[in-house]
Amino acid sequence: SAVISQKPSRDICQRGTSLTIQCQVDSQVTMMFWYRQQPGQSLTLIATANQGSEATYESGFVIDKFPISRPNLTFSTLTVSNMSPEDSSIYLCSVLTGANTGELFFGEGSRLTVL
Amino acid sequence: AQSVAQPEDQVNVAEGNPLTVKCTYSVSGNPYLFWYVQYPNRGLQFLLKYITGDNLVKGSYGFEAEFNKSQTSFHLKKPSALVSDSALYFCAVRPNTGGFKTIFGAGTRLFVKA
Repeated sequence: SAVISQKPSRDICQRGTSLTIQCQVDSQVTMMFWYRQQPGQSLTLIATANQGSEATYESGFVIDKFPISRPNLTFSTLTVSNMSPEDSSIYLCSVLTGANTGELFFGEGSRLTVL
Repeated sequence: AQSVAQPEDQVNVAEGNPLTVKCTYSVSGNPYLFWYVQYPNRGLQFLLKYITGDNLVKGSYGFEAEFNKSQTSFHLKKPSALVSDSALYFCAVRPNTGGFKTIFGAGTRLFVKA
C-alpha cells in the first residue's frame, strides 16, 4: 500500500494564473499518475510522471499547459498553467506500487476553482 | 476504442437490501478489472479486483463482484447494504498488454436509505 499526501487540498485561483500541486508518497514507487476529475465526471488520465525524464502525456493534454516534475521516486508536482474556468476540477495524484496487475492508490485530491 | 460503461448514474436501495452496481467494458483481450469507491471530498479507495481465476471476487467492506467474460461485465454486489455505503463507485479496467493505463467508468452514485 501507499499513503499519498497532496497539497493544496483546495484553492481558488484567478484566471490567467498558474498553480502547482504537490504529491508526496510515503514510499518509493515506480509509477505515478496525474488524473483530472471534472465536476460530475469520471477520471481522465493527464499524464504518467516519469522519474528523471519528461512525463508521458495523454491525448488532449500538453506539457505547456500541465508541466510535471518527478525529481525522485516519492515526489511529483503538477502545474496547471494559465488557468481558465474550464480548468476547475479535482486533480488527483495516483501511484501503482507493484506489477501492472496491482491497484492504484490515490491522494485525496486538490480541488481547484478558477474564477 | 477501449471503454468502460456504468449504465446507471444513480442506484437507490434500502438499508439491509442487496445492492448491485453495474459495469460493462469494451477492452480487447483479458483485462484486469477494478472497483473503487469515493466518499465526499476524498480520493478514491480500492475495493476489489479481478485478475484471473474464480469469477466471484471478494473485497473490502463486504463487497464482492462477479466477472462474466461472455457478457464483458463486472458487476459490484453486496448482500446487505448499509447507509454508510452511500458513495460514488467507479469501475475501472486496465488492458493486460503490459501497460499501466487504467480506464475509468463514469461512476455510479449509490444512495442507501435508512
